[in-house]
Amino acid sequence: GENVEQHPSTLSVQEGDSAVIKCTYSDSASNYFPWYKQELGKRPQLIIDIRSNVGEKKDQRIAVTLNKTAKHFSLHITETQPEDSAVYFCAAPHTGTASKLTFGTGTRLQVTL
Amino acid sequence: DAGVIQSPRHEVTEMGQEVTLRCKPISGHDYLFWYRQTMMRGLELLIYFNNNVPIDDSGMPEDRFSAKMPNASFSTLKIQPSEPRDSAVYFCASSRGGLTEAFFGQGTRLTVV
Repeated sequence: GENVEQHPSTLSVQEGDSAVIKCTYSDSASNYFPWYKQELGKRPQLIIDIRSNVGEKKDQRIAVTLNKTAKHFSLHITETQPEDSAVYFCAAPHTGTASKLTFGTGTRLQVTL
Repeated sequence: DAGVIQSPRHEVTEMGQEVTLRCKPISGHDYLFWYRQTMMRGLELLIYFNNNVPIDDSGMPEDRFSAKMPNASFSTLKIQPSEPRDSAVYFCASSRGGLTEAFFGQGTRLTVV
């Protein structure tokens, strides 16, 4: 199966600074890497995903980069705002089963004023 | 579409009682997932269905847990008998499968006392 490691577990940044969260995965055949954001007491929601045929994808202030050789992918949030405070999860699919995701352990991001 | 709907939102029960959690997936989604979220273990996949058929239940912790999907619009997760260590937030999610977004329900917060 897939093994996903996520770092750091907590991250505190000042408003306006950038935040970077990193994940590694074990299955070289994995080809889909979503990122979910979970606000306190809410459900996880997809914020961005990347497929293995591209190395980077950007959506306004968030971007994801993928290094297939090293088997790691990262979430970048620029110009952070208080509403970015949440827990962020990366995920990768299980071997041969794209629909079955293994989630990282989560990163609690705190954006301070 | 109202999204993935779970009920109840909160459940408090006594140890040894049977608990049934319910989920209505998004119409047209062929995949349904049950996750458990705890501080210690993060988001764990318990079981998932494809076209109402259980595909992988390797994440179900023990025989006290069972899940059914009698039709495309309804699934249940049952715990019998419940134990305090089952206390967690249980999420149901659905997707079209493959490299597509999984949509989560609001979750059921289960407390077993």
